[in-house]
Order: sequence, then structure tokens, then C-alpha cells
Amino acid sequence: EVQLVESGGGLVQPGGSLRLTCAASGFTFSGYWMSWVRQAPGKGLEWVASIKQDGGEKNYVDSVKGRFTISRDNARNSLSLQMNSLRAEDTALYYCAKGKRILDVWGQGTTVTVSS
Amino acid sequence: QSALTQPASVSGSPGQSIAISCTGTSSDVGGYNYVCWHQQHPGKAPKLIISDVNNRPSGVSDRFSGSKSGNTASLTISGLQAEDEADYYCSSYTGSSTLVFGTGTKVTVL
Repeated sequence: EVQLVESGGGLVQPGGSLRLTCAASGFTFSGYWMSWVRQAPGKGLEWVASIKQDGGEKNYVDSVKGRFTISRDNARNSLSLQMNSLRAEDTALYYCAKGKRILDVWGQGTTVTVSS
Repeated sequence: QSALTQPASVSGSPGQSIAISCTGTSSDVGGYNYVCWHQQHPGKAPKLIISDVNNRPSGVSDRFSGSKSGNTASLTISGLQAEDEADYYCSSYTGSSTLVFGTGTKVTVL
């Protein structure tokens, strides 16, 4: 069964950092682009970042450029999102998703709350 | 990058057909045949139901279909059923190698 499981969310103060992780199973992780998508409470979906199979290409939404870093470990079938200089507007449910142009498998998400 | 524009809500009676529009620009929807649609039930993760404008993944009901004309894509749900009540989001690949989602549409089955 193809599965994505996110972890690492929590409550953090403005300006703080958090690292999200996504554990993948049931497919050849190293063969696919991977992405992060977030959803603020009661709001719509927002694409955050994507990373190529070998990690050699990364794309970000403008609002997180310079603050967030997407990375992957193909040996461990793991995707990560390092989030620095967090702001209140980063509060959201963060989903890990398989793919870049077509997001065909989604995890259940991990919640990030930025508040003092 | 601005979100694609969708109607906030669409409703229909069981058995009817409804359509949801998704309007972008020539830099996203109009420039590529890379429009997808996702269905999201309350408290659940999104689920891909249409890819590349009009392709249905395996296991998705054929009551869902997609199309595109110019800068506007559409999702049609035929034979509306109670289980179709959910939020629907379009997405499009863009010329900046990014992905943009629509504003989302809440479908209500009357």
C-alpha cells in the first residue's frame, strides 16, 4: 500500500524553527518528485515546495523562499521541510504529497501552529 | 502567484449534473494541459480525481470529468450523489515551475 506519514508538527513561537518529516512507503520513493502543500485553518490548499528525484532541483512558493528548505533522503525514503523564521501566517496543516505536477498520493498531514 | 478562481459554492439535487469552473491565466491554466482536480471531504486529506485536464485515475468514478477552454478549466460531476458533497480544488502547473491551486468550491447536495 502506498503511504505517506507526516510528523514533526507542533506549537512554535514566531521567529522559531520546526522540521517536518514525511515517511514514504509502498512505492519507489527515489523515482518521484515530492511536494509539500499546506492548508491554513478553514482555508484552501497552498502549494509550498517541490523537490526533484535526486534533490537537484527545488521550487518554492514566494512566501517561503529563504525561510523554508525542502530536502530528501532517498536511502531512508524520507522527505523533510526545514522551516525557519516562522510567522503566524505559516500556521497550517502541512501535507506531504507524491509528485509535482500531479499530486496523486497525500499523507494525512501534520499541524504547525505559530503563536506566542 | 495568485490562486486560480473558483466559485465559492455550487449545489445540486441528487441525480443532477453540476459544473465547477477554474479560471487562471495564459501562464498557468491556459498555457498547459496540466490541470488537476482534487476532492476533499471534511477532516480528510485531498484526493486526486482528475489529472492533465481530463484523465481519471484508476478507481475514480466516471461520473467525474474534466475539460478546458482557454484560461478556464471545468470539472463536471454527473449523476450527483450524497457522497459527492465535499470541497473541490483545481490546480495547475505554471510557467515558473510552480504549482498553483484554486480557491476551492464547496459542493452541496440538496
